[in-house]
Amino acid sequence: GQQVMQIPQYQHVQEGEDFTTYCNSSTTLSNIQWYKQRPGGHPVFLIQLVKSGEVKKQKRLTFQFGEAKKNSSLHITATQTTDVGTYFCAGRKSNTGKLIFGQGTTLQVKP
Amino acid sequence: DVKVTQSSRYLVKRTGEKVFLECVQDMDHENMFWYRQDPGLGLRLIYFSYDVKMKEKGDIPEGYSVSREKKERFSLILESASTNQTSMYLCASSTGGPPEAFFGQGTRLTVV
Repeated sequence: GQQVMQIPQYQHVQEGEDFTTYCNSSTTLSNIQWYKQRPGGHPVFLIQLVKSGEVKKQKRLTFQFGEAKKNSSLHITATQTTDVGTYFCAGRKSNTGKLIFGQGTTLQVKP
Repeated sequence: DVKVTQSSRYLVKRTGEKVFLECVQDMDHENMFWYRQDPGLGLRLIYFSYDVKMKEKGDIPEGYSVSREKKERFSLILESASTNQTSMYLCASSTGGPPEAFFGQGTRLTVV
């Protein structure tokens, strides 16, 4: 079946450092979504990327979708303690509403 | 606001019991999902439903079944609970329009 792999599993950074998580699919995706789950909470939608090579920004967060639509990344510039949580990518194939999640990257930020 | 409600926040069941996890959404969404979340494994899709009475297996359907008799309700059934089904279960819904999936608060199931 479709697999979505995400690395790294954990990342500890000092506040102010940058952070990147990477997502790779074994098959071409129609679109990719990113979610954030705060400790003790449930995943909350951040953004969706649809076009090949697309780049979107939300304040300090930059999301990219690869040219082949098989990989994606989330980059956070100058992390803050409020960025703590687990970031998930989720891919969808074109002919289905099925949403497959990566394993997630848990970010810890030391003040 | 979209609301996805799961019937229980915490549940403890005995091995061999039949367990029902209920999920209700109030936004007339076509798609509903059941995931389980385990440390290091992320969210793994158990079952997906794209319409009433329609379902598709996810990546880990073994030991589970689902029911979608009404559009707003998606039930996950553990036919005979086992200790390896101890996990956090998350229900989600989405529509064909706006892309985001909305999650319930989760049910932490412990099978003893």
